[in-house]
Amino acid sequence: GNSVTQMEGPVTLSEEAFLTINCTYTATGYPSLFWYVQYPGEGLQLLLKATKADDKGSNKGFEATYRKETTSFHLEKGSVQVSDSAVYFCALSDRGAGNMLTFGGGTRLMVKP
Amino acid sequence: GAVVSQHPSRVICKSGTSVKIECRSLDFQATTMFWYRQFPKQSLMLMATSNEGSKATYEQGVEKDKFLINHASLTLSTLTVTSAHPEDSSFYICSARAMGGVLNTEAFFGQGTRLTVV
Repeated sequence: GNSVTQMEGPVTLSEEAFLTINCTYTATGYPSLFWYVQYPGEGLQLLLKATKADDKGSNKGFEATYRKETTSFHLEKGSVQVSDSAVYFCALSDRGAGNMLTFGGGTRLMVKP
Repeated sequence: GAVVSQHPSRVICKSGTSVKIECRSLDFQATTMFWYRQFPKQSLMLMATSNEGSKATYEQGVEKDKFLINHASLTLSTLTVTSAHPEDSSFYICSARAMGGVLNTEAFFGQGTRLTVV
């Protein structure tokens, strides 16, 4: 079956530091990959996505590249801000599984001023 | 982008009562809606998948008689927690997937409902 593994948190960084949150996946088909962000007490918001190999998703300074050879979709940001503090979820959607989303465990990011 | 509205955002109820949570797609038609439950500091657990006009498909271990799901239209799904108990206290999140088009690969999430059973 499909699965998503992401690094455990919390990840604590100082403002303007470089961020990487690792995400690897296992899928039987050709999934689309997503990063969602959840701010305290809120639902999930789509941060970025990539639908095929070598695609790069980007939004709000965050980037992730769909790497089929390493089955990875690592999230990066060059300079984090306090407002980026949230929980980040990596997820995949597989047409073979009815486009159902499979989530990783989530990584809490805390950015200190 | 597409908007999913979930209501209420917070609810406190007494043990033994029922609570209904609504999930609406505001600017698109959702053929499929998903209901998730999230425990503190944990990931989302899919509870059930509902397709408009048909019975919901529940994940293993989720009691369908306790968590009633109705997807009566292409823009509305409801989750009713019946005879709620303190262990049902959790954060419930819905998501909706659009019919066809470029939105088809993406699921849009509601804001979540914090349920507290006292």
